[in-house]
Amino acid sequence: QVQLQESGPGLVKPSGTLSLTCAVSGGSISSSNWWSWVRQPPGKGLEWIGEIYHSGSTNYNPSLKSRVTISVDKSKNQFSLKLSSVTAADTAVYYCARVKKDYYYMDVWGKGTTVTVSS
Amino acid sequence: QSVLTQPPSVSGAPGQRVTISCTGSSSNIGAGYDVHWYQQLPGTAPKLLIYGNSNRPSGVPDRFSGSKSGTSASLAITGLQAEDEADYYCQSYDSSLSSQVFGGGTKLTVL
Repeated sequence: QVQLQESGPGLVKPSGTLSLTCAVSGGSISSSNWWSWVRQPPGKGLEWIGEIYHSGSTNYNPSLKSRVTISVDKSKNQFSLKLSSVTAADTAVYYCARVKKDYYYMDVWGKGTTVTVSS
Repeated sequence: QSVLTQPPSVSGAPGQRVTISCTGSSSNIGAGYDVHWYQQLPGTAPKLLIYGNSNRPSGVPDRFSGSKSGTSASLAITGLQAEDEADYYCQSYDSSLSSQVFGGGTKLTVL
């Protein structure tokens, strides 16, 4: 079955760029699914960041759109998140997830990776 | 402030039935967008519990059920078990925000 694994630096300096990758195993990123990023600040709820299709089409949360870029690398079967101009408010656990577009739900999730924004 | 409103907490004794509400508006649930539910056990990633308002993925016990009416949706858990103690989130799409949205989450305590 499909598994997702997030990776990237656990510490990012304020005003810097957060970069994470989600490796897809057990299936192809070129399948008819979308791929999403979701984050969860400490002690808080879930926030949708955005999504990408293997064609490169993207949708972003309007509240983050000016700072977010999601890209796909089909040769490596992975997709990535870049969040620029980070502040302490971007400190969170970041999850990647597979999106089933028939009903739009996230059926497979990575374990998550903690990113702290601090100098 | 989430556009989907959930009670911060609910509780119940083992064996009892509890419900968790998810209240939206005419731009999300009321507009006909589907509602999905996730369970998040402490320290773990969210897990899909209900999709498309009332459908259970394979492996999810039939003690969990979902429904939707008007601008609200509900998750019901019957035969409450200690292992059900977790945070629960609803999710839908909001056309005014042009974004997927989550409820604020509900912490279920099994007494």
